[in-house]
Order: sequence, then C-alpha cells, then structure tokens
Amino acid sequence: GAGVSQSPSNKVTEKGKDVELRCDPISGHTALYWYRQSLGQGLEFLIYFQGNSAPDKSGLPSDRFSAERTGGSVSTLTIQRTQQEDSAVYLCASSLVGGVPYEQYFGPGTRLTVT
Amino acid sequence: AQKITQTQPGMFVQEKEAVTLDCTYDTSDPSYGLFWYKQPSSGEMIFLIYQGSYDQQNATEGRYSLNFQKARKSANLVISASQLGDSAMYFCAMREGSFAQGAQKLVFGQGTRLTINP
Repeated sequence: GAGVSQSPSNKVTEKGKDVELRCDPISGHTALYWYRQSLGQGLEFLIYFQGNSAPDKSGLPSDRFSAERTGGSVSTLTIQRTQQEDSAVYLCASSLVGGVPYEQYFGPGTRLTVT
Repeated sequence: AQKITQTQPGMFVQEKEAVTLDCTYDTSDPSYGLFWYKQPSSGEMIFLIYQGSYDQQNATEGRYSLNFQKARKSANLVISASQLGDSAMYFCAMREGSFAQGAQKLVFGQGTRLTINP
C-alpha cells in the first residue's frame, strides 16, 4: 500500500448535507494537493499543503469548501451544505518538494454525487 | 484566459502508428514546467513526462517524447508505436514559478481522448 489512498471511493449525499473526503498521502511526501474533476473535464486545483506553511487555498470555489491536514499527513476536504454542482470526482495527490520537478502522485479519487 | 489549451477533444489512431497530442500554454513567468498525465478509464492519473522551461533538450521517456517549442508556447506529446493500452484521456498541465519558490500546483487542460484501433 505505497500509493495515495482516498476514502470513500463513492459518496452519494443529499443536497444541503455536509461531506468529508479523506486523503492519505504517500509516506514522506510533504506536499498534498486536492483537485476536482467534473464529468468530461480537466482537473481543477482546489488547495495545496506544503509542510508547515500556510496552505494555498486559492482554488477553493466558495467558503463552503475547506480542508485541513493533520500532523503533516492525512488530509480531509470538507464540503458544507452541498449543492448539485459539487458533484464531481475529487482527486488527492502528493509529492516530494525540494527545488526539483517531483511529479505528483494521484489517488484513485472520490466520486461525489449530490442528489 | 485558458492557460493550457488542448485543441483535440478526440483522436483515433491505428495501432503501431505514432501519434501527436497538441498542447499550447500561456504564461508570462519565465520559470515553468509542463507535465503530461494519462488517465485510463479506471480513473487514475499516471505521470508520463516532464519538461522544464529552461531545459535545453526535449524530454523523452521510453515511447513518450515531448516536442517543446518555447517560442510557440507549445508542448506536444508524441507517442511512438502506439499500443492498444495507450487508449485513454491525456492531460497536459503546467506549473508556474520555480520549484525553489515552492510553486507546485498544476493547471490542467481539458484533455484529449485517444483511441487506438487494432
């Protein structure tokens, strides 16, 4: 189990409910990213954590979205008061950092459906 | 404005032929990096190849090569001797700023769906 893991793999929720999506990065990777992929679209950056630095939240679409990373490892993306337009696959990735172009390793994603 | 443009929504190629997937980008930052990822129908994102803006030579990884034309701001992916397993979505992505500055987030294009026919 050396790859990025995400849970749940699928989540169906009713409009207005809150959801939490979990990401467990590759051990030793200090950078963690969340992206969103709507049906048939490319990936949209949401938020990025690097070590103890303040996260880059510039991609979060609204204040209903938040994320935290505890202990520099596991991250949780929370969507409050879900809307139908939040339906998408949420992908987490992790990488090393250090001044060289380390690629991002992606998890399998969580498919969120808001009914 | 689109930062990454992939103009080919779909491509169909015969097995064993070479294929070029187009990618153009837009940035004013002199330091940037370009990535290609493959996404099979199973959904995982698989890193293929990377090109830095200061790299003098085009990147190559096995059957994959990146045709980097800096003045034209293009970074096309070339797959030689295509195989049935190459059928997938392919995404071009860009990182602006240098890794030394901590810049890491990627901007993705809309993707090209490649189908290899036997």
